[in-house]
Amino acid sequence: DTAVSQTPKYLVTQMGNDKSIKCEQNLGHDTMYWYKQDSKKFLKIMFSYNNKELIINETVPNRFSPKSPDKAHLNLHINSLELGDSAVYFCASSQGLMAADFGEGSWLTVV
Amino acid sequence: GENVEQHPSTLSVQEGDSAVIKCTYSDSASNYFPWYKQELGKRPQLIIDIRSNVGEKKDQRIAVTLNKTAKHFSLHITETQPEDSAVYFCAASFAGGGADGLTFGKGTHLIIQP
Repeated sequence: DTAVSQTPKYLVTQMGNDKSIKCEQNLGHDTMYWYKQDSKKFLKIMFSYNNKELIINETVPNRFSPKSPDKAHLNLHINSLELGDSAVYFCASSQGLMAADFGEGSWLTVV
Repeated sequence: GENVEQHPSTLSVQEGDSAVIKCTYSDSASNYFPWYKQELGKRPQLIIDIRSNVGEKKDQRIAVTLNKTAKHFSLHITETQPEDSAVYFCAASFAGGGADGLTFGKGTHLIIQP
């Protein structure tokens, strides 16, 4: 069974559209994250969510909004997509002092 | 916030030789240092981690060392094999119960030459 699963895996969309990426973890972890990996492979945290506390990386545009219906889910909604949003988005989860487990990634291409 | 520097960006070694990747961090409060391996088109996967109360940790051909005073940590891979070819990321975080997440280095592309 996949521990951290995210959908869709591939997403091609036009500029200006709104899209969502869904993430679910079955590990019972308390904390979930969204990371962005750009074309240079640099991994950067966007959001973390722990017990309904949202911590936002201040560099993330407010067009990006995380939504967590429950502890096992953290979805990412993106408004008014721009070319520069093209990247791989990874969902991850962790518990306490344990390392983060990553999902398989969602490849977003904005055209 | 935390800043992690990683060197080199590309490392090419002969199969069977050792590889060393070095990272430095800026926040003395960081106490957890994982290393991830990412193969092309795949997700980052944890290969080894170390906490600030430990100076060295080894798992078969992989070892990590930590120098808290100097704020640097290193990954050592011995007897490299073709399947070790990948991008390796170091990371640092303050695992104090908050939701800080990991600050990653920019990655090292390790190439194992046959």
